Formats: sequence, C-alpha cells, structure tokens
Amino acid sequence: QLVLTQSPSASASLGASVKLTCTLSGGHSSYAIAWHQQQPEKGPRYLMKVNSDDSHNKGDGIPDRFSGSSSGAEYYLTISSLQSEDEADYYCQTWGTGIRVFGGGTKLTVL
Amino acid sequence: QVQLQESGPGLVKPSETLSLTCSVSGDSISSYYWSWIRQPPGKGLEWIGYIYDSGSPNYNPSLKSRVTISIDTSKNQFSLRLTSVTAADTAVYYCARDAPLNMGGGAFDIWGQGTMVTVSS
Repeated sequence: QLVLTQSPSASASLGASVKLTCTLSGGHSSYAIAWHQQQPEKGPRYLMKVNSDDSHNKGDGIPDRFSGSSSGAEYYLTISSLQSEDEADYYCQTWGTGIRVFGGGTKLTVL
Repeated sequence: QVQLQESGPGLVKPSETLSLTCSVSGDSISSYYWSWIRQPPGKGLEWIGYIYDSGSPNYNPSLKSRVTISIDTSKNQFSLRLTSVTAADTAVYYCARDAPLNMGGGAFDIWGQGTMVTVSS
C-alpha cells in the first residue's frame, strides 16, 4: 500500500530557503513523485516530477527557485529566495498501477 | 494549450447522485489517463479515480462502491457520478490530466479550476 507522509507545517523567512520532505512507504526504490502547490483560495498547480535518480522535471513556467531531489524513500522540494506568494499548501503525489496517492500536505508560512 | 473545465450542479440533496463533467480542450482525450480529485473544505486532496479511452476505470477503494467515471471521446469529455451522497461529500471537485497512456501512471500535470459541490437539503 502506497503511503506518502508530509509534515503538516513549515515556516521560513522571506528571502530564505526551505526544504519540504515527502516520505514514501509501501513502494519500491524506482518510484517517482510529483509536487503540487496550492495557494490560498486557488486550485492546485503542478510544480514538478521528482525521479528516484534524484533528477526532476519541472512544469511550464515554474521558476528556477523551485527544485526537487530525492534520497532513498525521501523526496524533497526546495524553494530558495522565498517570496510572499510562496506561502501555500504543498502536496506530494505518487502513482502505481490502478492507484494514485496524495500526501497530507504541508502548509508553508513565509515569515 | 491544454485546458480542463469542470461543470455540473453546485448543490445536491443528500442521498441523491452527484454528476460532473470535465471538458478537455487543446488535446485529444484519447492520449492520456484522466482523473477526478476532490478536496473537502479545509482538508487535503483525495484521488477519486481515473479513466482512459478504451480501458477500464480505476477507483479509490474508499469510494469504489459509489463512483462511476466514464469517457466520451466524441465530445472530448469525461464524467463523474457519485451516488448516495452525504454531507461528507461536500467538496471542491477537480479534474486533472494524468499520465500518457504509455506510462501507466504519472503526475497530474494539468488541473481544472475546480467546482464546489455542496450536499444539503
């Protein structure tokens, strides 16, 4: 059974960097995940796919400040030079045959 | 540019059936998997199920007994039906483009804007 675990909240200061974590259980080492951003009162937006080989593929128009990486069963979203509009909920998502799974989301506060 | 647009009633009575349609523009619906996702007020995202052309849909086990997802390639649309709704089904419902058919699964890379459905008498 695929399960994605995220910390409920994170915070960082304007202009700083933050690294959000998504932990995969029930899968195997070749899984990829995706990161989605949901700003307040808006729908989700696809940010990127993070592969198990530590590479990532960003969606159209996603700023260079956003990057992804992985290590074993942990997948990361790093946001550098934090801006106020980065305050949002961030969800990781993965997939298998016949199943799609979301993590519980991390609420990022920009101080 | 691929765009998705949800449509359907915003208010459904308890015990009745929720029906929504997602219209796809800018791409052929036959080339991808397509998913429905929902988000109750103040809560996280929940995958409902996916469909693809000429294939069997797959559903979240927690909703499987009440969900039907269908596809109409002639209209480039896919639809959601959820039966016997209760207040717990009140949510924003999103449709999304899933993986290309040769991938078997993937990221939801394009989302509709979402439509709020309230279950209330």
